[in-house]
Amino acid sequence: QVQLQESGPGLVKPSQTLSLTCTVSGGSINSGGYYWSWIRQHPGKGLEWIGYIYYSGSTYYNPSLKSRVTISVDTSKNQFSLKLNSVTAADTAVYYCARSGGYSFGYWGQGTLVTVSS
Amino acid sequence: EIVLTQSPSTLSLSPGERATLSCRASQSVSSSYLAWYQQKPGQAPRLLIYGASSRATGIPDRFSGSGSGTDFTLTINRLEPEDFAVYYCQHYGSSTWTFGQGTKVEIK
Repeated sequence: QVQLQESGPGLVKPSQTLSLTCTVSGGSINSGGYYWSWIRQHPGKGLEWIGYIYYSGSTYYNPSLKSRVTISVDTSKNQFSLKLNSVTAADTAVYYCARSGGYSFGYWGQGTLVTVSS
Repeated sequence: EIVLTQSPSTLSLSPGERATLSCRASQSVSSSYLAWYQQKPGQAPRLLIYGASSRATGIPDRFSGSGSGTDFTLTINRLEPEDFAVYYCQHYGSSTWTFGQGTKVEIK
């Protein structure tokens, strides 16, 4: 059973960089065939896809966030990471990592709340 | 960019009733790329339906999806207490994923 777990600071100061890591267990990122995504949910709001990475390192980002987002993968640790720079209060959200097989997300982490505040 | 509009925003029903949730796309989409999720407070979304009508593993058969083109429907027959939650539709296209704004199914 694949499991995903987000980790990282819960509080980030405005203008700084938000950094989160997703650790995958029960399956290998290296096995291919899946896209590893970050998705966020503003408090009380809907879901916003941020971007994905493939095990090869290829990425694709939401155009609305593309200028501030970097997603990377460390296959040796079976982890992938999110960096979002120049954050503002509007980036306060629960951040999820998820795996898509095909065109939907079958596995999700439990989510981590990141608050942007001084 | 395809926009998904869900209706109604809130659906107030009693246990045992049928829920019918709508997801309308701003342009015609392939059914293969349409999915539905359930989200309960404090939890991550759970995949219910993929390919517009295929139930994900372990999803009870009271959940069903249908539709094509621009109009898709999630139907929940005989609502159980654990079905009261928020439901999202999702589309994949051009290497990006978009979600509807959600429909809350609440107890009447």
